[in-house]
Amino acid sequence: GENVEQHPSTLSVQEGDSAVIKCTYSDSASNYFPWYKQELGKRPQLIIDIRSNVGEKKDQRIAVTLNKTAKHFSLHITETQPEDSAVYFCAASPGGYQKVTFGTGTKLQVIP
Amino acid sequence: SAVISQKPSRDICQRGTSLTIQCQVDSQVTMMFWYRQQPGQSLTLIATANQGSEATYESGFVIDKFPISRPNLTFSTLTVSNMSPEDSSIYLCSVEGSGLRASNEQFFGPGTRLTVL
Repeated sequence: GENVEQHPSTLSVQEGDSAVIKCTYSDSASNYFPWYKQELGKRPQLIIDIRSNVGEKKDQRIAVTLNKTAKHFSLHITETQPEDSAVYFCAASPGGYQKVTFGTGTKLQVIP
Repeated sequence: SAVISQKPSRDICQRGTSLTIQCQVDSQVTMMFWYRQQPGQSLTLIATANQGSEATYESGFVIDKFPISRPNLTFSTLTVSNMSPEDSSIYLCSVEGSGLRASNEQFFGPGTRLTVL
């Protein structure tokens, strides 16, 4: 089955700096890669996703990149703000109601 | 995206008892999923529930321990049976998309925080 590894497990950045979280996956059948943000005590929220036919996607301060050949994908947050502090999960799925496999999570702390 | 609610939001239970968690969606969806999130951990899929058929369980999860019902396209229940302190966790339901067509995006309910004493 799919195995998703995520690094780092914790990340502290100064407000205004950039943050990068990296994930690798093992199953070449995976073609959908979502990222979730989970604030303390709340549900995971989908913040951005990318499909295998796209190499990069941006949404304001957030961007994701995908390298299907190397089987890795990354989340980039620019101009970080304290409200970006949360746990971020990457995930991978073949799509079409098939299982979504989550990474182990990265706890991001943005220091004001 | 679909609006998902869960009941109860939290509960404290005695070991050996069972708890049924309800998940309600505001629109018809084909697949519903049940996850467990232990404190400080990632999300682990328990099972996938499709209306009209038995749930499909992931490795390490069995129907006798986590029976699931899916009576219609907007509702599902997960029962945690014969509970032990190791079952203390957050249980989340999720749905794919907001209709009957596959769309890949999964959205989560608010979760049920279960503590077993």
